[in-house]
Amino acid sequence: DIQMTQSPSTLSASVGDRVTITCRASQSISSWLAWYQQKPGRAPKLLIYKASSLESGVPSRFSGSGSGTEFTLTISSLQPDDFATYYCQQYNSLGTFGQGTKVEIK
Amino acid sequence: EVQLVESGGGLVQPGGSLRLSCAASGFSFSTYSMNWVRQAPGKGLEWVSYISSNINTIYYADSVKGRFTISRDNAKNSLYLQMNSLRDEDTAVYYCARDRPPRSSTPASFGYWGQGTLVTVSS
Repeated sequence: DIQMTQSPSTLSASVGDRVTITCRASQSISSWLAWYQQKPGRAPKLLIYKASSLESGVPSRFSGSGSGTEFTLTISSLQPDDFATYYCQQYNSLGTFGQGTKVEIK
Repeated sequence: EVQLVESGGGLVQPGGSLRLSCAASGFSFSTYSMNWVRQAPGKGLEWVSYISSNINTIYYADSVKGRFTISRDNAKNSLYLQMNSLRDEDTAVYYCARDRPPRSSTPASFGYWGQGTLVTVSS
């Protein structure tokens, strides 16, 4: 089974900060990686698919990069609506999520 | 507008059974593969099961294999999850989620999610 490891687990940041979250796969997953945003009590929302493709309607301050085993989600300028938990998901072999990264207000 | 509405959650004793449903609307249901994803209270997301658009391919997470059965009725635009031999660790919000691309042959990225239904396994 493919394991996904996100870092950090928690991130404290301020509005306007550039934020980067890392996701590592236990084996190569090519570019079969997605990123989701989840707010408390809500369903996850797809942000990025195929490692770097922006889902329709998602603000351009979100971007994804990477391939193989190492991936990043970057928020170029953190907005108040972006404080949430972010998950990566590999879909090279079934589906496995990372443990999540909570982005909180500094 | 794509809508996914889960139902069927509730309180069940360990060893019991429950059947979840997901009613889909706003898209061609028979064209998209579907999934169940769960989230235990205060925990992360766990993919549970996948069924292809043509019902030919089904996958399960090891944690539910042999106890859960996924199915769909394309005529009724509905997805189901039959859960048997439930354990305490199955307590979670269960989401149905649609694959982003049509006619995928394995789980893909999940472009649409329902609001979730809570399953509590407790004596």
